[in-house]
Amino acid sequence: GEDVEQSLFLSVREGDSSVINCTYTDSSSTYLYWYKQEPGAGLQLLTYIFSNMDMKQDQRLTVLLNKKDKHLSLRIADTQTGDSAIYFCAEVTSGTYKYIFGTGTRLKVLA
Amino acid sequence: NAGVMQNPRHLVRRRGQEARLRCSPMKGHSHVYWYRQLPEEGLKFMVYLQKENIIDESGMPKERFSAEFPKEGPSILRIQQVVRGDSAAYFCASSPTGDLEKLFFGSGTQLSVL
Repeated sequence: GEDVEQSLFLSVREGDSSVINCTYTDSSSTYLYWYKQEPGAGLQLLTYIFSNMDMKQDQRLTVLLNKKDKHLSLRIADTQTGDSAIYFCAEVTSGTYKYIFGTGTRLKVLA
Repeated sequence: NAGVMQNPRHLVRRRGQEARLRCSPMKGHSHVYWYRQLPEEGLKFMVYLQKENIIDESGMPKERFSAEFPKEGPSILRIQQVVRGDSAAYFCASSPTGDLEKLFFGSGTQLSVL
């Protein structure tokens, strides 16, 4: 069945780059997403990438997709304390409507 | 344009009581999805509704849980005879059509069962 996996924790120093990784199993995934969840809040869509793309950049965020390895990553440049949150990757296949979420990576930014 | 609105933000119930969670989708959105987030876990799909229709409830527990999205008013997720294991964050999302370029999520309802 579909499965999305992430490492649970990541700790970086302010100003460094953060790289959050995600692996998925469904080769028919069409869209892959990154969401941010701050404490007590809902999910905020950060960025998404179509499966026919390898890379997408949006200001401090860079998404890399390796379809062969079914690996997705989110790089946050110049990480700030406000970036501390849980980051979820999710995938969905065109023609379906179920998002399959990873367990989330808790990013802690040290001042 | 207000986002997806969920209420209440926090709901406390004793075992055996009923919980009713409300979700008003974004304006113009007729597709609503409910997800549940158990502690330390990702979100799990529960149910997908369009106005007055349940499209897919394959993620809903077979008993005690029901959902509706009436012609007028918010979508309701109803949990009867709650148990401690129902304690979770329940998120609603909406989209304008069934095409999922992106969903818009609400802030969730945190249900605590005592």
